[in-house]
Amino acid sequence: GESVGLHLPTLSVQEGDNSIINCAYSNSASDYFIWYKQESGKGPQFIIDIRSNMDKRQGQRVTVLLNKTVKHLSLQIAATQPGDSAVYFCAENKDTGYALNFGKGTSLLVTP
Amino acid sequence: NAGVMQNPRHLVRRRGQEARLRCSPMKGHSHVYWYRQLPEEGLKFMVYLQKENIIDESGMPKERFSAEFPKEGPSILRIQQVVRGDSAAYFCASSTKETQYFGPGTRLLVL
Repeated sequence: GESVGLHLPTLSVQEGDNSIINCAYSNSASDYFIWYKQESGKGPQFIIDIRSNMDKRQGQRVTVLLNKTVKHLSLQIAATQPGDSAVYFCAENKDTGYALNFGKGTSLLVTP
Repeated sequence: NAGVMQNPRHLVRRRGQEARLRCSPMKGHSHVYWYRQLPEEGLKFMVYLQKENIIDESGMPKERFSAEFPKEGPSILRIQQVVRGDSAAYFCASSTKETQYFGPGTRLLVL
């Protein structure tokens, strides 16, 4: 069936480096994508979203890139900090206002 | 503006008991979603509600599970006759048809 998957289950980076978390999706009808950060024992926290009519969107220290040709989504975190350590999920749906389909998550570990 | 509220944060039930999980959406949000998360897994959609209406319950088991979002009061996810396999974290999210914002979750443990 349709699915959202992540290339790497874990990612370890040094403090101050840039992080890139990747995500593949299979539903070509998806038109809304979103990244969440989940810390241990907490609910998912919104990071950034992007619609299918865009290729790139930037926030504070984060950038999301969308490649619809290969159905690939990535989250870039600049100057990674220890507080960025968490599990990151990508999610997609066919339209806002509908259920999100989540990937399994990538665990980001930031070392000093 | 308070975020999405969920209670209880932790719930322990014995097999066969009922579990009632509550969710108060963010102020002004009329869309509520329930998701279930198993350890080291992503969130799985269960049900999507608007005030007094179930819009999509395709992810919710047909038996023992029900959800409501009344005109007044919080949304309720009800699990009857719980089994050990129901042990999980249950998250509620709300939206105004844009970004879904999540609550802190209820961690259900069935003994």
